[in-house]
Amino acid sequence: DVQMTQSPSTLSASVGDRVTITCRASQTIGSWLAWHQQKPGKAPKLLIYKASTLESGVPSRFSGSGSGTDFTLTISSLQPDDVATYHCQQYNTESWTFGQGTKVEIK
Amino acid sequence: QVLLLQSGAEVKKPGASVNVSCQASGFTFTEYHFTWVRQAPGEGLEWMGWISAYNGNTKYAQKLQGRVTMTTDTSTNIVYMELTSLTFDDTAVYYCARGGGSSPKGVDLWGQGTLVTVSS
Repeated sequence: DVQMTQSPSTLSASVGDRVTITCRASQTIGSWLAWHQQKPGKAPKLLIYKASTLESGVPSRFSGSGSGTDFTLTISSLQPDDVATYHCQQYNTESWTFGQGTKVEIK
Repeated sequence: QVLLLQSGAEVKKPGASVNVSCQASGFTFTEYHFTWVRQAPGEGLEWMGWISAYNGNTKYAQKLQGRVTMTTDTSTNIVYMELTSLTFDDTAVYYCARGGGSSPKGVDLWGQGTLVTVSS
């Protein structure tokens, strides 16, 4: 199975900061990567698919980039509503895998 | 309204089976795959597998092979996930999600989750 490694595990930043989360695949996955946001006690929600395509209704401060094995999720200006855990997920192979998650907090 | 509505929380004893359902509404059921994902307390998301509502084709995670079965009922637009021989390690919130197979977005809609607790 493809292993997905996210970093950091936890991130603390101030409102308005630019925040970057990275996700590395153990083998090339093309652009078949999604990012999901999970607020405390809630189900995940799709933010970005195909590495860089913003899902409808998602604020434009979120962006994704990368291809092959290295990917990033960027929040251009962190807002209080962005407090959540962010999960990357590869769907290149028949068996999908998730990263371990990155918890984003407000400093 | 486009929605996935899951069945309620379950408490099971070790060795028992659990069946979780997921009612889809607001879209054409048979045009999609459906994926099941679980999350143990304090842990990350674990992909369990997916099923095509069009033809019933399935793909399961290797670690769950032989214990998990996913089915669909196209007359009621419901997806089912049965997990057998439960152990304490199966305690988790189980999510159904729309998408799977070669879906271009992966999954794009999640159910609200179903807590399954395995306790003696």
